[in-house]
Amino acid sequence: GAVVSQHPSRVICKSGTSVKIECRSLDFQATTMFWYRQFPKQSLMLMATSNEGSKATYEQGVEKDKFLINHASLTLSTLTVTSAHPEDSSFYICSARVGQGRNQPQHFGDGTRLSIL
Amino acid sequence: DQQVKQNSPSLSVQEGRISILNCDYTNSMFDYFLWYKKYPAEGPTFLISISSIKDKNEDGRFTVFLNKSAKHLSLHIVPSQPGDSAVYFCAASDRGGSEKLVFGKGTKLTVNP
Repeated sequence: GAVVSQHPSRVICKSGTSVKIECRSLDFQATTMFWYRQFPKQSLMLMATSNEGSKATYEQGVEKDKFLINHASLTLSTLTVTSAHPEDSSFYICSARVGQGRNQPQHFGDGTRLSIL
Repeated sequence: DQQVKQNSPSLSVQEGRISILNCDYTNSMFDYFLWYKKYPAEGPTFLISISSIKDKNEDGRFTVFLNKSAKHLSLHIVPSQPGDSAVYFCAASDRGGSEKLVFGKGTKLTVNP
């Protein structure tokens, strides 16, 4: 089946640090990848849709200058949390869709637990 | 405003019995629904989906039922196995063309041997 690899799985760093998270589709090409955030006991919330070769589309309330997304190739999207603060501590997870068409399921990475001290 | 609701945070069933996980939605524009399973320290894994043109979709031990008039869907697992123990997420997307998935908060299923 489709495999999505996310790295790192866990990050602990000081406030003010910028953190980069990578999302790779290992056995398929993904023109579209998605970035989600999950707070404890809450549902996965879409942050942005990452499109290869173009600007990401951010959901309402998500700061694009805070959460920088780059999708430079068909197999890699990165999310950079700039100048991270304790309130950015959360579980970040990416997904990618195999093929075109809205009704193709998204396949998820294993997520990144970000803890800002 | 929670558009996709999974009102039971947890469910416990005996091995071999049926597990029924429920999901309600409020947005009448939703027309495609998915169930994902998540083990600890792993990402969600796609399980089964259903389009609003159907009211049932079956894949092995897993069956999803959709009741559009009630804005309700359910996932049936028969027979339940201990390896099915996981958190199950219901998700939906709308016919407006958006690729966005809206998730419920999940239901933790425990299948006891």
